[in-house]
Amino acid sequence: EAGVTQFPSHSVIEKGQTVTLRCDPISGHDNLYWYRRVMGKEIKFLLHFVKESKQDESGMPNNRFLAERTGGTYSTLKVQPAELEDSGVYFCASSAGSILAPLHFGNGTRLTVT
Amino acid sequence: GENVEQHPSTLSVQEGDSAVIKCTYSDSASNYFPWYKQELGKGPQLIIDIRSNVGEKKDQRIAVTLNKTAKHFSLHITETQPEDSAVYFCAARGYGGSQGNLIFGKGTKLSVKP
Repeated sequence: EAGVTQFPSHSVIEKGQTVTLRCDPISGHDNLYWYRRVMGKEIKFLLHFVKESKQDESGMPNNRFLAERTGGTYSTLKVQPAELEDSGVYFCASSAGSILAPLHFGNGTRLTVT
Repeated sequence: GENVEQHPSTLSVQEGDSAVIKCTYSDSASNYFPWYKQELGKGPQLIIDIRSNVGEKKDQRIAVTLNKTAKHFSLHITETQPEDSAVYFCAARGYGGSQGNLIFGKGTKLSVKP
């Protein structure tokens, strides 16, 4: 089966610009998560979708970040306007419906804000 | 909230030796502890996990131990090989948290020298 795919793999933008990251979960996985790793620090939870609904968005840093999952399939994470501190690697993960199911991560999008 | 500390941050071993990475957590209600391996340019890959009702779990050269009283868990890799070189992350999930709201350690960069 195809794994979690993320696009783009890299993005370099200037401060103040907008960037949209995309995640395609494993087919059939209702749970979709966004995480972020800032240079040298831990991987931090951003939010969790169950199908198209936001189950938990407690990790979203501020209102410059907007995540959507229309139709309960792929998800997008938009940063607008981007700030320098938004630089990092953004990971998407998905899991099946069971609470015992493990998370499968994508390869991430490396975002650099200059 | 939950806090996970991981040590060491870097670890260098000779091929064939064992490697041990340790993590401590703060929330005694945490009940799920996965370990992820991240190779360069890829996302974290689940290599082993343990739940709070088990003290030890093994999978070939990899084992994880959990001490609930002391609130720490460890990853043990025996007979290390160069392809084990990667960054390893421990994580914990607290009771009542989102199914995927994992709290990660900062990672350990393991280097296995031939």
